[in-house]
Amino acid sequence: DGGITQSPKYLFRKEGQNVTLSCEQNLNHDAMYWYRQDPGQGLRLIYYSQIVNDFQKGDIAEGYSVSREKKESFPLTVTSAQKNPTAFYLCASSPQGGARSYGYTFGSGTRLTVV
Amino acid sequence: AQKVTQAQTEISVVEKEDVTLDCVYETRDTTYYLFWYKQPPSGELVFLIRRNSFDEQNEISGRYSWNFQKSTSSFNFTITASQVVDSAVYFCALPLGATNKLIFGTGTLLAVQP
Repeated sequence: DGGITQSPKYLFRKEGQNVTLSCEQNLNHDAMYWYRQDPGQGLRLIYYSQIVNDFQKGDIAEGYSVSREKKESFPLTVTSAQKNPTAFYLCASSPQGGARSYGYTFGSGTRLTVV
Repeated sequence: AQKVTQAQTEISVVEKEDVTLDCVYETRDTTYYLFWYKQPPSGELVFLIRRNSFDEQNEISGRYSWNFQKSTSSFNFTITASQVVDSAVYFCALPLGATNKLIFGTGTLLAVQP
């Protein structure tokens, strides 16, 4: 079955470390997105990519970086510059131009904790 | 501005009660879709329904129903005879203008007590 796979499910980071969250989809979707979820704050967009080798900053991109070298993959790196990285991270995808009509498909998320 | 407001932060009901989750939106678009997603404790957001602004008929799917009223910019979600498995966070979402992005409300946490 097609879907989005996020790994790992739980991730622990020490202060000052960079960590990379994986997001892979086999839906043949062009667009991919990263959201951060904190309690009581809904979903906030970090980065998004509409096509391979291109991506744009979302509302809270500081301290994060992404790459989009393959259509299927959109990894998110949480750098040491991100001051408060503890959160739940969700990856999503949609067909090109399709989010307006069909919404997103989401992965199951990665819970990142700074220790 | 495009905006989605879910004023109810948390709702607690007892099993078999009916419950309505409110969603109010603002958009400059004349035609648009609206969406509801469910986020169970496992974390993944699951698509529930999409609604086209052309169609204001109520939608019913089993115990779920949706009331879309363009005149009041609302897209409310009712669960009839709630069950413990309905406990989750529910999000309403709206496309952000001509972009290929959605904006989400802050979500409503529904707790159904046995």
